[in-house]
Formats: sequence, structure tokens, C-alpha cells
Amino acid sequence: AQSVTQPDIHITVSEGASLELRCNYSYGATPYLFWYVQSPGQGLQLLLKYFSGDTLVQGIKGFEAEFKRSQSSFNLRKPSVHWSDAAEYFCAVIQGAQKLVFGQGTRLTINP
Amino acid sequence: NAGVMQNPRHLVRRRGQEARLRCSPMKGHSHVYWYRQLPEEGLKFMVYLQKENIIDESGMPKERFSAEFPKEGPSILRIQQVVRGDSAAYFCASSSAGLPIQETQYFGPGTRLLVL
Repeated sequence: AQSVTQPDIHITVSEGASLELRCNYSYGATPYLFWYVQSPGQGLQLLLKYFSGDTLVQGIKGFEAEFKRSQSSFNLRKPSVHWSDAAEYFCAVIQGAQKLVFGQGTRLTINP
Repeated sequence: NAGVMQNPRHLVRRRGQEARLRCSPMKGHSHVYWYRQLPEEGLKFMVYLQKENIIDESGMPKERFSAEFPKEGPSILRIQQVVRGDSAAYFCASSSAGLPIQETQYFGPGTRLLVL
């Protein structure tokens, strides 16, 4: 079965600094990968997704992610974070026909 | 185009009562998924439904939990005889018909269930 690991439970960065959130997956074939963001008390919003093709994927809110098969990774990046980016970030992979398998999440805190 | 709607947003129940959570998918979507998020954890898949059919219920607890998606009306997640361990956020997601693997799931705001 597919699995997703987000090694960092909590990350703190300063506003304006760059950001990278790590995601590693376990899957034999080409995975279908997603990054979602969850603001406090809210549902999940899709940031970006990877199915095939270009391994660098652009998403909303200035986020991007790079699929690296050799490292089984799909890390999320943003060159300059804003205070409004403080939230919980979830990496996920499709299992079977449509079941999303989520990582444990990374909580992002932004220092002013 | 309204997004995925869930109600109630917050639900308080005493142990032994029943909880009914409702989900209205996005317009044009016929696939519904329920996920549960326990405190300080990621989301865990519970069940995948299409209209009048349960496609995958591999994540549903064996007892007390049931789900339906009738031909008309919202999808319902029902929890009978709730216990404190059922306290969690329950999220519904929907997707449109088509190539299921490539269809994005859009999430609702969730129902936060508190069992006293």
C-alpha cells in the first residue's frame, strides 16, 4: 500500500524567507501526488498536483513542488513566505481508484 | 458555483447518541468521499460513494458507522451510539465523473464532532 511521510511536524520561518516542506512517498509505480493546505478551522484547499510530465509543478499562491523519482520525494517550496501562509500542509498520494492517503501534516508558523 | 457544503459545522453529542453528518457535493459532482481527522493527525480515508452505491468502505469502522449517497439529496455519514473516541473533524470531498484517478477532490469545511 502507498504511504506518505512528512518528516517535519512543525516548521517556523521568518516572513520573507524561503520555504521547503518535505514529503516522501512509498509506491512502486508513478504516483499521483498532491499538496493541500488547511487553515485553522477550515477545510483543505488544493495547492498543486502531479500526475505526469514536467516534474516541476506550479501551484496557487506562489507555491511549487518538484517530483524526484530517485529520492521518492515531492517537496513543496515557496521563495518568499507571507504571514498568511501560516497553516497546516498535507502531502497526499492516490491509492487505488480514488482514495487519498495523507501524510501526518506539517504545521507552518511564520515569524514577523 | 458553490463548493462542497457540509452541515452542521459543529456538532455536540453525548455518549450513546447518534450523529448525522451531511455533505452536498459540488454541482455536477457524483463522487463523494469521507475522511476523518483525529486531533493532531492527518486525514484518514473512510468511504467512497457514488450515487446509490458504496464503492470503497475499507476505512470505515466495522460497527456503528454507515454512509449513504442517495439518488436525491446529500450524502449522509451516520454514527450510532457515539463514544468519546469519535470526536474528530469529518471532511467530505467530491469529484466529477471521468477519469477517476486524475480527478481532483474538492473538500468541504468539515464537521467538528465533539462527544461529551
